[in-house]
Amino acid sequence: SAVISQKPSRDICQRGTSLTIQCQVDSQVTMMFWYRQQPGQSLTLIATANQGSEATYESGFVIDKFPISRPNLTFSTLTVSNMSPEDSSIYLCSVHIAGVETQYFGPGTRLLVL
Amino acid sequence: QKEVEQNSGPLSVPEGAIASLNCTYSDRVSQSFFWYRQYSGKSPELIMSIYSNGDKEDGRFTAQLNKASQYVSLLIRDSQPSDSATYLCAVKTGGSYIPTFGRGTSLIVHP
Repeated sequence: SAVISQKPSRDICQRGTSLTIQCQVDSQVTMMFWYRQQPGQSLTLIATANQGSEATYESGFVIDKFPISRPNLTFSTLTVSNMSPEDSSIYLCSVHIAGVETQYFGPGTRLLVL
Repeated sequence: QKEVEQNSGPLSVPEGAIASLNCTYSDRVSQSFFWYRQYSGKSPELIMSIYSNGDKEDGRFTAQLNKASQYVSLLIRDSQPSDSATYLCAVKTGGSYIPTFGRGTSLIVHP
């Protein structure tokens, strides 16, 4: 497995502002992902963070709203831009480690937009 | 469209009973199956994986897979109040890094 940390763990933000969430892994990983989990819902994949190239976004998510960076194999950021109350959610970073068949999740960032 | 279906519950069982959580999936070429446990306010934690038809046991947990019926289940024996959580089923095809998650089943184990 891997130890994954996220910052901030939670935040309350005003409408129209932006928040950048950081994800740090204690080892180099092949793939990093960003998910959203809205209250009472399952996990929705936002994008795959690709090291050294643009992220791959899922249907319904765009780079202007959720810009992602991945400067190296252990770190990624997700920015939630021009926030609205509908963006209130838990945002989760996950990683896929070579040789292991599934994903491990970070502790999540709980975002409330007023 | 790949789908993973779970009954949202809540499933309520008394302490010491067997909790049975079920999951069906639509993609016949799925090869890897996972159960995650998610406590309220926490992130999902992998508790079981299964790749072949039959049963796989790990402590009080048993995962059961039937590919012909496209069905995977999780049994929790001697359920404890600490098992109260949402259990997410996840299914993945070979060569993909990204599983498809179900909505999860809420389990409540009452003393």
